[in-house]
Amino acid sequence: DIQMTQSPSLVSASVGDTVSITCRASQSVRSWLVWYQQKPGKAPKLLIYATSTLQSGVPSRFSGSRSGTEFTLTITSLQPEDFATYYCQQTNTFPPTLGGGTKVEIK
Amino acid sequence: EVQLVESGGGLIQPGGSLRLSCAVSGFAVSTNYMNWVRQTPGNGLEWVSIIYANVATYYADSVKGRFTISRDNSKNTVYLQMNSLTVEDTGVYYCAGGYNNYADFWGQGTQVTVSS
Repeated sequence: DIQMTQSPSLVSASVGDTVSITCRASQSVRSWLVWYQQKPGKAPKLLIYATSTLQSGVPSRFSGSRSGTEFTLTITSLQPEDFATYYCQQTNTFPPTLGGGTKVEIK
Repeated sequence: EVQLVESGGGLIQPGGSLRLSCAVSGFAVSTNYMNWVRQTPGNGLEWVSIIYANVATYYADSVKGRFTISRDNSKNTVYLQMNSLTVEDTGVYYCAGGYNNYADFWGQGTQVTVSS
């Protein structure tokens, strides 16, 4: 199975900050990488698919990029509603493994 | 509007069985990808199983041989039959569907607790 390693596991940030979360795949997943956002007690929500395509309705302050097997989710000008846990998932190969999650908390 | 509603969770003893259901509206389970994803206590998300196309199915190693995913196209419902449950299977089980093998849509989740 492909291992997805997210870092950091916890980010403390303030409103208005820029936050970057990294997800590294143990082997190539091409560009088949998605990002989800999950708030406490709620189901995850799809943010980005195919590395960098924003799901409909997702604010443009969210962006995704790739360098080889390393993927980055960047949130610019962090808003109060962005404090949540973020997960990456590779969808290139079954099983579609998920990263361990990154919690973005208020500093 | 797409809605996914899970049911069937509960408290079960180790070794027992449960069947989860996911009733879907606004989205055809027969022609799209339907997943089960779980969230275990203190842990992150774990993909469990998928069904798509002509009932192609895949399972996480942790549930292979114990869980079975299926669907009823006439009811637009997906199921997860869970046998030989262990305490490690405790968690919130989400049904999630998509046009590709990732989840555009999620249910609210159903709690499964395996305990003696």
